[in-house]
Amino acid sequence: GENVEQHPSTLSVQEGDSAVIKCTYSDSASNYFPWYKQELGKRPQLIIDIRSNVGEKKDQRIAVTLNKTAKHFSLHITETQPEDSAVYFCAATKGAGSYQLTFGKGTKLSVIP
Amino acid sequence: GAVVSQHPSRVICKSGTSVKIECRSLDFQATTMFWYRQFPKQSLMLMATSNEGSKATYEQGVEKDKFLINHASLTLSTLTVTSAHPEDSSFYICTLPRGRSNYGYTFGSGTRLTVV
Repeated sequence: GENVEQHPSTLSVQEGDSAVIKCTYSDSASNYFPWYKQELGKRPQLIIDIRSNVGEKKDQRIAVTLNKTAKHFSLHITETQPEDSAVYFCAATKGAGSYQLTFGKGTKLSVIP
Repeated sequence: GAVVSQHPSRVICKSGTSVKIECRSLDFQATTMFWYRQFPKQSLMLMATSNEGSKATYEQGVEKDKFLINHASLTLSTLTVTSAHPEDSSFYICTLPRGRSNYGYTFGSGTRLTVV
């Protein structure tokens, strides 16, 4: 089955700096890669996603890049703010035609004012 | 977009009792729903796939007799934790995939289960 590795597990950055979180996946048939932000005790919130036919997608301060050959995708947050502090999860569909999501282990991002 | 209502949001129960968690799709036909479990400071782990009108598919290591799933209609899937034990204390969350025409998933609000 699909295996999603996420690094780092914790990340501290100064306010205004950039943060990068990386994920790798094992199933070459995976075709959808969302990123979620989860605050304590709440449901995950989708912040950005990318499909396998796209290499990069950007939404204001957030961007995601996908390298299908290497089977890795990354989340980039620029100009970080204290409210960006949360746990971020990457995920990948289990394979073509499947809607099951396999999640990475999460990255706890702390933005220091 | 799709809206999923999950209840209860928090529940405390005694060991040995059963707890039912409901996920209701308010505006989308939920032929499939996924149930995840999240232990503190850990990731979301898929427990089972709930299929409307048929048996659920369980992930390896998840006891189907302990975690009963019923998906009798296109709007409601339920997860019943039977004979709950303290180690079942976790955050349970349902997810509704929105299908080929619109990749994306709608999450329920989650249920914090504490077994004492």
